[in-house]
Amino acid sequence: AQSVTQPDIHITVSEGASLELRCNYSYGATPYLFWYVQSPGQGLQLLLKYFSGDTLVQGIKGFEAEFKRSQSSFNLRKPSVHWSDAAEYFCAVGRVNNNDMRFGAGTRLTVKP
Amino acid sequence: ETGVTQSPTHLIKTRGQQVTLRCSSQSGHNTVSWYQQALGQGPQFIFQYYREEENGRGNFPPRFSGLQFPNYSSELNVNALELDDSALYLCASSLGGGSSYNEQFFGPGTRLTVL
Repeated sequence: AQSVTQPDIHITVSEGASLELRCNYSYGATPYLFWYVQSPGQGLQLLLKYFSGDTLVQGIKGFEAEFKRSQSSFNLRKPSVHWSDAAEYFCAVGRVNNNDMRFGAGTRLTVKP
Repeated sequence: ETGVTQSPTHLIKTRGQQVTLRCSSQSGHNTVSWYQQALGQGPQFIFQYYREEENGRGNFPPRFSGLQFPNYSSELNVNALELDDSALYLCASSLGGGSSYNEQFFGPGTRLTVL
């Protein structure tokens, strides 16, 4: 079965600094990969997804992620963080013809002024 | 276009009771998935309903059951509540069941506390 690991429980960055959130997955074939963001009291919002093709994926709010098959990773990046980016970020993996999407435990992002 | 809505927002129950949570899917979506998100954890897939039939289930016991109605809204029922059932329950709607390919749109969740 597929699984996801987010090694960082909590990350603090200064506003304007760059950000990278790590995600490692376990799955035998090419996975579907997702990054979601969850703000307090809100549901999950999809930032970006990877199904196939170009391994560098652009998403909303200035986020991007890179799929690296050799490292089983799908790290999320943003060149300059804004205070409004403070939230919980979840990486998830899914499969073709399967609706059982597996989420990581999340990384909480704090943004310092 | 109305997004995914869930009710109630918060709920407090005691151990052994039964609870029903409700979800209205986004307009035009025929698939609803339910997730349990325990404190400090990512969401865990409970099950999915597609065109009123259960269409996949995660590792949850049978006391977790659901329904989907002709208008594609859905209910999650949990019987014989246990303390560990305390969590945020998320519903997500999408178009076309059976694959993670279809983007899911999440509701804000129902916070269930079991005492």
